[in-house]
This record gives sequence, C-alpha cells and structure tokens, in this order.
Amino acid sequence: GIQVEQSPPDLILQEGANSTLRCNFSDSVNNLQWFHQNPWGQLINLFYIPSGTKQNGRLSATTVATERYSLLYISSSQTTDSGVYFCAVDNNAGNMLTFGGGTRLMVKP
Amino acid sequence: NAGVTQTPKFQVLKTGQSMTLQCAQDMNHNSMYWYRQDPGMGLRLIYYSASEGTTDKGEVPNGYNVSRLNKREFSLRLESAAPSQTSVYFCATATSGRGNEQFFGPGTRLTVL
Repeated sequence: GIQVEQSPPDLILQEGANSTLRCNFSDSVNNLQWFHQNPWGQLINLFYIPSGTKQNGRLSATTVATERYSLLYISSSQTTDSGVYFCAVDNNAGNMLTFGGGTRLMVKP
Repeated sequence: NAGVTQTPKFQVLKTGQSMTLQCAQDMNHNSMYWYRQDPGMGLRLIYYSASEGTTDKGEVPNGYNVSRLNKREFSLRLESAAPSQTSVYFCATATSGRGNEQFFGPGTRLTVL
C-alpha cells in the first residue's frame, strides 16, 4: 500500500516563530488532507489539498503531486497551535485514508 | 448542525464483553468510516460503507463487525472485546468514497481490561 512519511516527528517552537511541516507519499493520490489533532484528541480539518496551494489565516499548504510531497506552513505560531499534525492520503486503490505518523508540535509562550 | 456525533465518549469493558459504538451524521454524506488510533500513531481504517446497504473491510477489521443502519448511522460492534482493542475509535464521513474530503467525529475512548 501507499506509504506516508511526515517530518519532523517532533517540533518545539517559541511563540511567534514560523515552521514548515513536510509530508512525503509513495504513490499518486486522489485526496490529501492535513489535520490538527488538538490536546483533547479532536481531529480538525485544516486543508483538503490533493494539488496546488491554499491559505487559511496563518496556515497555508502546498501539494506538489508530481513530486509526491505536501508542505504545511504555520506562521506566527501561537500556543493554541500545539498538538499533532497529520497528513493523510487516499490513492487510487480504494476509499481509505492512509495516515502519516504525525508531527507533534509544542509552542511555548 | 452537529456534523458527526459518536456515542459513548468513554467506555471501559472487561475482556470478553461486547459493545456497540454508535455514529451518526447530519451532513447527508454517502460514505462512512470507522478508524482506530493507537497511542502515538495515526489512524487506521477498520471498516467503511460507501453507501447505505454496503460495507467493506479496511486495514484492520479482525474482531469487529459493522452495520450501516441507514444513511445517517453507522455502528461498530465488538463481539468479544480483547485488551488489544483498547484504542480511540473515530467515525468519519465523506460525500462519496474516493478522493473526497473526510470529516471526523470526536472519538470514543475505549479501554478493555
């Protein structure tokens, strides 16, 4: 099946700093989503981005489908950005999302 | 508009007991999914239903059964719970299965002693 790798696995930032999270995948995809899992365990949809670039406030994402990677940019980080960021993809083989291992982000005040 | 709801939020079972996790959605989506998340890991698909009346196995179906009761509701049943099924269970929905954005419920935290 498709492999999804995220980097870095852990990230500690000072409030106000910027960061880039990366997601590499091993096959072509129909769907790529970024999620934020907050400290209470809730999965929050950030982006649905199988290709191209999108922005939502301080967050933006870019997927280069031909090169099989996606980037999530967080600017001017806040303590509420803390949690785990997951990339998940759905390839041509079926309906399931395959999740990466996540990037655990801690933003310190 | 509640989106995707799951009941219960928490549950503790003894080995061998059975239970059913409930999921309901008011998003009028055709596809519904059950995932499990083990500590420190991403989610893995247990079963999915592409439309009312159909169900299919995902990556980790052993020990589980599902029922797509109607378009709104998709339940997950553990017939004889085992400690290895201790996990957080998430239900998700999508407009249709392939290539469409999935939306997740709040999760059910299950502990099997």
